[in-house]
Amino acid sequence: AQSVTQLGSHVSVSEGALVLLRCNYSSSVPPYLFWYVQYPNQGLQLLLKYTTGATLVKGINGFEAEFKKSETSFHLTKPSAHMSDAAEYFCAVTLNAGNNRKLIWGLGTSLAVNP
Amino acid sequence: NAGVTQTPKFQVLKTGQSMTLQCAQDMNHEYMSWYRQDPGMGLRLIHYSVGAGITDQGEVPNGYNVSRSTTEDFPLRLLSAAPSQTSVYFCASSYSGGAGDYNSPLHFGNGTRLTVT
Repeated sequence: AQSVTQLGSHVSVSEGALVLLRCNYSSSVPPYLFWYVQYPNQGLQLLLKYTTGATLVKGINGFEAEFKKSETSFHLTKPSAHMSDAAEYFCAVTLNAGNNRKLIWGLGTSLAVNP
Repeated sequence: NAGVTQTPKFQVLKTGQSMTLQCAQDMNHEYMSWYRQDPGMGLRLIHYSVGAGITDQGEVPNGYNVSRSTTEDFPLRLLSAAPSQTSVYFCASSYSGGAGDYNSPLHFGNGTRLTVT
């Protein structure tokens, strides 16, 4: 069965440090890949997505992610963390399931940014 | 630009009561869905719709009903609330969920926090 694994349910970084949130997926076909962010008491919003083409994808708020097919990974990075980056981050994969969208979610990673 | 609007924001129910969670979007999106979010369990799909008059079950549909009479609205009904339905509920929509268009991002509402006692 297809799955999405986010390594580390909680990640803590210092302000200004590198942010690295890990996402691995299992799929026998090329997927579409997404990262969403959820700020406290809000719904999720799209950070970035990979569909086809360039494997390094840039998103909002300085985040980027690289699709590595050989590693079945789509890790999210940001060179310098800001206090406002504290949120829950979700990796998701869309798979071709005939006539229906099949979106598989990771369990999320909570990012804390320390001053 | 309202996007996806969910009401109410908070609700407390007693076991056995019924209620409807409202969801409306103003983006003319064909695809709409309901998720529940529980600690440690991520997001789980309850029901979804690929257009007016068309609904289908997600992975956790028991205890919930939906209908889609218009493109804009997708209410979620709890028939007889149970404590296990205590959760945060999110409505999400996208431009298309049908075949051939799997890269449309979901737009989420701000959620309804439901407590069943």
